[in-house]
Amino acid sequence: EVQLVESGGGLVQPGRSLRLSCAVSGFTFDDYAMHWVRQAPGKGLEWVSSITWNSGSIGYADSVEGRFTISRDNAKNSLYLQMNSLRAEDTALYYCAKASIGYNYGYFDYWGQGTLVTVSS
Amino acid sequence: QSVLTQPPSTSGTPGQRVTISCSGSSSNIGSNYVYWYQQVPGTAPKLLIYRNNQRPSGVPDRFSGSKSGTSASLAISGLRSEDEADFYCAAWDDSLSGWVFGGGTKLTVL
Repeated sequence: EVQLVESGGGLVQPGRSLRLSCAVSGFTFDDYAMHWVRQAPGKGLEWVSSITWNSGSIGYADSVEGRFTISRDNAKNSLYLQMNSLRAEDTALYYCAKASIGYNYGYFDYWGQGTLVTVSS
Repeated sequence: QSVLTQPPSTSGTPGQRVTISCSGSSSNIGSNYVYWYQQVPGTAPKLLIYRNNQRPSGVPDRFSGSKSGTSASLAISGLRSEDEADFYCAAWDDSLSGWVFGGGTKLTVL
């Protein structure tokens, strides 16, 4: 069974940093690209970032480019999102999602339950 | 403002057929596959339709997807109370080099 478990969310002040993690199981992690998708309270889904199986290709939404960094550790079956210079508008539930393929940003076929990030003073 | 446009809400009675539209442009729906996700409130999104009209195993054939030009639609037939959820369309956008979503459609089963 595919499982994705996010962690690392919490309350953080504007301008500070936070690192999210996603631990996966139930599939061969290094065969697949991975994504982060977020959902602001009461709002819709927004793609944040993607990374291919070998970290050879990485993409970001314009809204987070230059502030967020996605990475992965295939030996630890883990995906990360380093979030710097956080803003109030980054407040959201952050989902880790598995991609359908490895070599590019395939569609999201499995999702975690999310970790909540709240940016507020 | 979402790149893909969906109606905010729709409703139907049990047994009815409802459709949800998703409108985009040549850089997303017009040139790439469309995907649909179902999100029951308080839970994570779930893949419902992939590559325009394919159903993952376990998704009932009451759910179907279609695409024409720069628009797509999700149809749900034989509506059931457990279908009540938010539905999102998604597609890759070649101009933005990223995934885009619709704003979501809340389905109410009356």
